[in-house]
Amino acid sequence: SQQGEEDPQALSIQEGENATMNCSYKTSINNLQWYRQNSGRGLVHLILIRSNEREKHSGRLRVTLDTSKKSSSLLITASRAADTASYFCATDAGAQKLVFGQGTRLTINP
Amino acid sequence: DAGVIQSPRHEVTEMGQEVTLRCKPISGHDYLFWYRQTMMRGLELLIYFNNNVPIDDSGMPEDRFSAKMPNASFSTLKIQPSEPRDSAVYFCASTPPQGIGNTIYFGEGSWLTVV
Repeated sequence: SQQGEEDPQALSIQEGENATMNCSYKTSINNLQWYRQNSGRGLVHLILIRSNEREKHSGRLRVTLDTSKKSSSLLITASRAADTASYFCATDAGAQKLVFGQGTRLTINP
Repeated sequence: DAGVIQSPRHEVTEMGQEVTLRCKPISGHDYLFWYRQTMMRGLELLIYFNNNVPIDDSGMPEDRFSAKMPNASFSTLKIQPSEPRDSAVYFCASTPPQGIGNTIYFGEGSWLTVV
């Protein structure tokens, strides 16, 4: 069963706008990661946030984690056409497994 | 580093045939994972190895699926006999010795179609 669930399933915005994707999970975690998948390619790691962190930045990416609500969000600022991809959250619950959500399909319109 | 290398990239086979997918993890990585991705079920962990030993195969769908890792630089995922519902993208991935919780490095996937 899926641990993480992304919301929305699909998001379409104009280039330059910000994109926000959310992830909810069910059990306690050690950390949460976000990955990107371009069409026809493998997944690529974007950022990891540990359970004792609330916010993390990497370039145009901002990730938040609320362990009380069991949720995380990924914000991409000043979106570009190259950001068009599917984005997945993945949770590490300490069982030596990384479990992925269903993903958000992001489309950036020029 | 060449990254995780998978072969074949694309395979079309007939129902009942044996399919073997191959993976070469990143040198020095000691965890290797096999995932399957479909539209309906998303990304599912099938099995993972640590130091060539299978640790958890609870995600393997049925006895038709088997995976081996004879050495640190090679793994196979075999489906015998294949069925149309096995059509999916199969990803191999690896992580360095610090273990789970670190970045997983994915291959480009093997796109399998069973007709």
